[in-house]
Amino acid sequence: RKEVEQDPGPFNVPEGATVAFNCTYSNSASQSFFWYRQDCRKEPKLLMSVYSSGNEDGRFTAQLNRASQYISLLIRDSKLSDSATYLCAVLGTYKYIFGTGTRLKVLA
Amino acid sequence: ETGVTQSPTHLIKTRGQQVTLRCSSQSGHNTVSWYQQALGQGPQFIFQYYREEENGRGNFPPRFSGLQFPNYSSELNVNALELDDSALYLCASSLRGRSDEKLFFGSGTQLSVL
Repeated sequence: RKEVEQDPGPFNVPEGATVAFNCTYSNSASQSFFWYRQDCRKEPKLLMSVYSSGNEDGRFTAQLNRASQYISLLIRDSKLSDSATYLCAVLGTYKYIFGTGTRLKVLA
Repeated sequence: ETGVTQSPTHLIKTRGQQVTLRCSSQSGHNTVSWYQQALGQGPQFIFQYYREEENGRGNFPPRFSGLQFPNYSSELNVNALELDDSALYLCASSLRGRSDEKLFFGSGTQLSVL
């Protein structure tokens, strides 16, 4: 089992739709979790941290479910500019472990 | 912008050659991590440097080596290049010791091995 797993997608959604991604992790001792956004062949950019209490930033909401060992990202009112790959990252002992990313394409 | 800079942005090498990639970390950051990202994959951890010493290594052979300098900048060296080394190499800096340590990436070096 991979340490961090994501559905690679692609998720094709119309503008204005709500879309959610999940990411599962195997190490129950993991403490820190993040979502990154990556545009084609560019560097990943930090989107938001994920806390047990949830974290909301505008149209984006991130949640952590420790019991089931997954994190989620919800995007409301999708925009064309949201089209990108979304990477989840889990901080292990001394390194961040990334999932393969989920591709999102928002269609006009 | 993250303040993490990498050079060069693109590089073409042939099999067997050696390459050095460079990274300047964000001001105030003391830790540098290197990642390899192949097309369609997530970033794979190569190694991390903290206080000029390697502080963790992923599943990469010894021909991948690195350095961190007193100003926290870093180099990644790859010897005896193989075709499969073609990838985007990402440097990320962070501040060790924070409870919410976050990684900030440079724009990467696209390496093509022919």
